[in-house]
Amino acid sequence: DAGVIQSPRHEVTEMGQEVTLRCKPISGHDYLFWYRQTMMRGLELLIYFNNNVPIDDSGMPEDRFSAKMPNASFSTLKIQPSEPRDSAVYFCASGWDVRTEAFFGQGTRLTVV
Amino acid sequence: GENVEQHPSTLSVQEGDSAVIKCTYSDSASNYFPWYKQELGKRPQLIIDIRSNVGEKKDQRIAVTLNKTAKHFSLHITETQPEDSAVYFCAASNNAGNMLTFGGGTRLMVKP
Repeated sequence: DAGVIQSPRHEVTEMGQEVTLRCKPISGHDYLFWYRQTMMRGLELLIYFNNNVPIDDSGMPEDRFSAKMPNASFSTLKIQPSEPRDSAVYFCASGWDVRTEAFFGQGTRLTVV
Repeated sequence: GENVEQHPSTLSVQEGDSAVIKCTYSDSASNYFPWYKQELGKRPQLIIDIRSNVGEKKDQRIAVTLNKTAKHFSLHITETQPEDSAVYFCAASNNAGNMLTFGGGTRLMVKP
């Protein structure tokens, strides 16, 4: 397995534009997590899914953020409209359980100018 | 919800010395405590984890200790090497399916 795959690796966009981040989890993992990492706030959990169902989205900062998991092999995190303060590295991770190792993707570095 | 505090935020040691990073957690129901290492520009990766049924676990130069009564756990790295330089994150979760909560991270610098 190639591990958790995220795309794009880097994204630069203008304020107000829509941004879509993509994630392919490791096959067989029931859990998928979206994290945001910044210098100021560290690693923050935004939302996680169990068997494609969103379980906890309390970390999603605002209504501008939305996440979907239409099937077991694909998830998206969308920001619309984007703002400069959304600039961060966004990680997707997957795992068999919340009490086992979470395997992280390489991350998407988002810059909103 | 769970709150995980991690100290220190930065740590500089001489190559060959030991490094200790400490974390405290708030939810007494937490029973899984992993440690992740993140090298510059890369993804976090698990280096060791411990569950609440044990007090200590070792893997070569790294070890983790857990004190459930005091609700704290620590990462110990012995004989540090320059390649140990990275940001280390502790985390906690529990059987209720609560998500993994991460500490703020410790930037470890090992000077040759």
